[in-house]
Amino acid sequence: DVKVTQSSRYLVKRTGEKVFLECVQDMDHENMFWYRQDPGLGLRLIYFSYDVKMKEKGDIPEGYSVSREKKERFSLILESASTNQTSMYLCASSSPTGSGNTIYFGEGSWLTVV
Amino acid sequence: KQEVTQIPAALSVPEGENLVLNCSFTDSAIYNLQWFRQDPGKGLTSLLLIQSSQREQTSGRLNASLDKSSGRSTLYIAASQPGDSATYLCAVRGVGSARQLTFGSGTQLTVLP
Repeated sequence: DVKVTQSSRYLVKRTGEKVFLECVQDMDHENMFWYRQDPGLGLRLIYFSYDVKMKEKGDIPEGYSVSREKKERFSLILESASTNQTSMYLCASSSPTGSGNTIYFGEGSWLTVV
Repeated sequence: KQEVTQIPAALSVPEGENLVLNCSFTDSAIYNLQWFRQDPGKGLTSLLLIQSSQREQTSGRLNASLDKSSGRSTLYIAASQPGDSATYLCAVRGVGSARQLTFGSGTQLTVLP
């Protein structure tokens, strides 16, 4: 089974702190994604990556950056956390050719910024 | 820009009932459509994926159909059970931006024992 692992399930950070959210997948998928999910707004794409060291902005990249130094790991970085970044963050991965492009999600990381 | 709508936003049914969840999308030029289940506080679990060339996919008590020309998909759940209670989301992958999904806002299903 594909496994997408998000290292932190629950985090509480202070305004202005630098925050790292880590995601690891074990299926050698080329594509990796970071979404945030908010009530009433659904899932929104922050950034995605289709190869090592490659990244593309999604719909809401402001205030975020990403890093993909290894194929299996995709990190989301909040350079200076703000209260409006309190949300659930979901990492996902997929292969452009395998499994019909099925996308697999991690369990989510709940971030509270105080 | 693709928009995905799911109606109703919430649905409550008695156990054993067959039910249909609806998903509509504005741009019919899609690569595939995927249905997910999300339990409270958890990530999304993939249920079914339908390629643009397919009409339906089945897995156990679940059947998903796709009518690309009318921009609609349905998820049929047979003989519903309390364990089916969750939020169901559909997501469309476009042809132009084949790596990105556009999600609906989901239907929250409650199956009453």
